[in-house]
Amino acid sequence: SAVISQKPSRDICQRGTSLTIQCQVDSQVTMMFWYRQQPGQSLTLIATANQGSEATYESGFVIDKFPISRPNLTFSTLTVSNMSPEDSSIYLCSVFIGTSTYEQYFGPGTRLTVT
Amino acid sequence: DQQVKQNSPSLSVQEGRISILNCDYTNSMFDYFLWYKKYPAEGPTFLISISSIKDKNEDGRFTVFLNKSAKHLSLHIVPSQPGDSAVYFCAASGGGADGLTFGKGTHLIIQP
Repeated sequence: SAVISQKPSRDICQRGTSLTIQCQVDSQVTMMFWYRQQPGQSLTLIATANQGSEATYESGFVIDKFPISRPNLTFSTLTVSNMSPEDSSIYLCSVFIGTSTYEQYFGPGTRLTVT
Repeated sequence: DQQVKQNSPSLSVQEGRISILNCDYTNSMFDYFLWYKKYPAEGPTFLISISSIKDKNEDGRFTVFLNKSAKHLSLHIVPSQPGDSAVYFCAASGGGADGLTFGKGTHLIIQP
């Protein structure tokens, strides 16, 4: 199993500012995923982050708004840029479980409120 | 267009009885289906999965059934316990490097 931590656990930010969320895994993983859960909605994949290459973004998400870094095999950051109240969500990172290519472990999430 | 649907926002079941949570999907390219459990202020916890080549997978009190022709899966919890009260998410994957596509979740409430 993998232990995944995220920082911060929650934050309240003003519109127009940016927040960087950190995700740390206790073992080396090739792929990391970033999801968003807006209030009352399902989890939605934002992007896939591979070490040594640019992140791959899903439809509706762009690098200028959600830049991602993946400096090594245990760490990634997601930045939410130029925030608006619509960005208020829970942001989660995840990794594959063991050798599976579809079962994922999730971090505890970062609850972001934009005022 | 939602590719994974959980049509029951909430479900109330008596302790000791069977809980049945349902999920429908539209994308025939999905190869794997998963169920996650989520408590407030925590990330989703993986429960059980099933490959599209199977129709049943069992793990302790949890059993997932897949009806590929109907594009429908269900999670059975027997017997239901108070600690099972949580939001349950159905998710699907095409495998490989794909992320997961989630339903909106069903809030399961186990009543004593």
